[in-house]
Amino acid sequence: KAGVTQTPRYLIKTRGQQVTLSCSPISGHRSVSWYQQTPGQGLQFLFEYFSETQRNKGNFPGRFSGRQFSNSRSEMNVSTLELGDSALYLCASNRDTRTDTQYFGPGTRLTVL
Amino acid sequence: GNSVTQMEGPVTLSEEAFLTINCTYTATGYPSLFWYVQYPGEGLQLLLKATKADDKGSNKGFEATYRKETTSFHLEKGSVQVSDSAVYFCALMNNAGNMLTFGGGTRLMVKP
Repeated sequence: KAGVTQTPRYLIKTRGQQVTLSCSPISGHRSVSWYQQTPGQGLQFLFEYFSETQRNKGNFPGRFSGRQFSNSRSEMNVSTLELGDSALYLCASNRDTRTDTQYFGPGTRLTVL
Repeated sequence: GNSVTQMEGPVTLSEEAFLTINCTYTATGYPSLFWYVQYPGEGLQLLLKATKADDKGSNKGFEATYRKETTSFHLEKGSVQVSDSAVYFCALMNNAGNMLTFGGGTRLMVKP
């Protein structure tokens, strides 16, 4: 079974631009979550989608948004990029039970110049 | 809210040494607990998990026991290898099953 895939793997943007990251979950997984990983703040939860609905959201500004499509693929968007948005963005999917495991993709490395 | 605290690294060991990485948590209810490992330039890989009190998760020689009374989930391995060098994250799942809370990560360096 194919794992979680994320595209692109690397991105370089400049301040003020916007960016869209994509995530394809494991087949059959309907829940997709996004996390931001930085050296200073560690791993932080951004949001989670299930059946095209955002069910949970972390403490990030409104510049960070996402959506999920009917095939469970998800995108996240960051508008008006800031230097501090430079991070590894990780996507994870699971089937949606409390004890189920979230499986992570390789991440998208975003650098904001 | 939920929180996870794990020992700060780096932890430097010689090959075949015994490994312990401490992890304690604060949460309501009975969360599932996880250890993930991250190798350089990669995402997170599940190492092991436990879903209820006294469960022991194990994989590739690593073990961790869910201790409700001490709210702990310490990671252990009897004999580490150079290939175990990585960053290890302890995490718990919220009751809704849709959000992981992570510890700060512990970098392990194993020397030949």
